[in-house]
Amino acid sequence: KQEVTQIPAALSVPEGENLVLNCSFTDSAIYNLQWFRQDPGKGLTSLLLIQSSQREQTSGRLNASLDKSSGRSTLYIAASQPGDSATYLCVQFGNEKLTFGTGTRLTIIP
Amino acid sequence: DTGVSQDPRHKITKRGQNVTFRCDPISEHNRLYWYRQTLGQGPEFLTYFQNEAQLEKSRLLSDRFSAERPKGSFSTLEIQRTEQGDSAMYLCASSLASGGPFYFGPGTRLTVT
Repeated sequence: KQEVTQIPAALSVPEGENLVLNCSFTDSAIYNLQWFRQDPGKGLTSLLLIQSSQREQTSGRLNASLDKSSGRSTLYIAASQPGDSATYLCVQFGNEKLTFGTGTRLTIIP
Repeated sequence: DTGVSQDPRHKITKRGQNVTFRCDPISEHNRLYWYRQTLGQGPEFLTYFQNEAQLEKSRLLSDRFSAERPKGSFSTLEIQRTEQGDSAMYLCASSLASGGPFYFGPGTRLTVT
């Protein structure tokens, strides 16, 4: 059974710092991976999609990488802002269902 | 881009009542998923559709739960004889294909009193 683990579970950093969120898989033969953010009591907002043939994707201050050989993905956030505070989920999927990571709760301190 | 919409956004009901939620996926998205999320936990898979066909239903789903997607567009999720344990956020997602990307709606928060 595929398991997706995110470390750390919670992270607090001062505004303006760069940070990295980690996501790892038990099954390295992953398909695609998508990063989401979730604000309290809200739905999931898509951030970046990395297809299995890709190694990274960038959108604004966000950069996501995928290393299939090690079964890991990272989400890099540059110049963090208080508005980045949320829970970040990595989601692996292939064939039919999505496997959700355990999530990282990020707090940016003004 | 209207995104995935869900209705209602909030529902408070008494134990034993039936409730129905609606999800409108992004136009032309043929895959539609339902997930349930309780406070502090990740989303749990409930069921998914390819067009109008319900391809899989989680064993977590008791026979009190039923979902439909009659015309391959919007979907409904009905919970009969609600229990307090059904209180959760119900999330809907859609995608054009199995390779994603997936887009989630804002969710329907159910509170059973």
